[in-house]
Amino acid sequence: QVQLQESGPGLVKPSETLSLTCTVSGGSINNYHWSWIRQPPGKGLEWIGYIYYSGSTNYNPSLKSRVTISLDTSKNQFSLKLSSVTAADTAVYYCARLRAVTGSTDYFDSWGPGTLVTASS
Amino acid sequence: DIQMTQSPSSLSASVRDRVTITCRASQRISSYLSWYQQKPGKAPKLLIYAVSSLQSGVPSRFSGSGSGTDFTLTISSLQPEDFATYYCQQSYSTPYTFGQGTKLEIK
Repeated sequence: QVQLQESGPGLVKPSETLSLTCTVSGGSINNYHWSWIRQPPGKGLEWIGYIYYSGSTNYNPSLKSRVTISLDTSKNQFSLKLSSVTAADTAVYYCARLRAVTGSTDYFDSWGPGTLVTASS
Repeated sequence: DIQMTQSPSSLSASVRDRVTITCRASQRISSYLSWYQQKPGKAPKLLIYAVSSLQSGVPSRFSGSGSGTDFTLTISSLQPEDFATYYCQQSYSTPYTFGQGTKLEIK
């Protein structure tokens, strides 16, 4: 059973860059898509983007100018960078495995426990 | 972006009740629809994908149906552990989008 775990600073100053890493254990990062999703306190879920093990990416247009998702297959990790953060970026950030099958539904079948990141001075 | 609208936003029910949650897409999404359950302080958990396919390990009291723009999640006999927030999610096109959530509370 694959397990995911987010790590990174819980506090980021406004205008700075949020950086998180997701470590995948119990399975290989190869042959899957890996995604970041966030949830502001008391609110719903927002998809940030995904990276395929080959390195190709797809980002939410609402965040695209500020987001970079990258992969380190040697460490079985993938990472999120979100630049120029504001208070609106305060949220629980989840990493998740995306099952994407051509011609069928894409769905998030494994999630990390989430990590709260607060954007505040 | 495809907007996903769930109804109701909150719902009170009792153990052993049958409950239905509705999700409507702003355009046709074929069968590209999944459902998740989230408990307080926890990550969402996949329940159903492709409208009606039950994720491994999910109890059979959960079922999904629908097509086009209108979809439902049904819990046939509520159990105490089912009180949670439920989200639908479309994958017809990116950006993937979620419904706003339906909070299921104990009556």
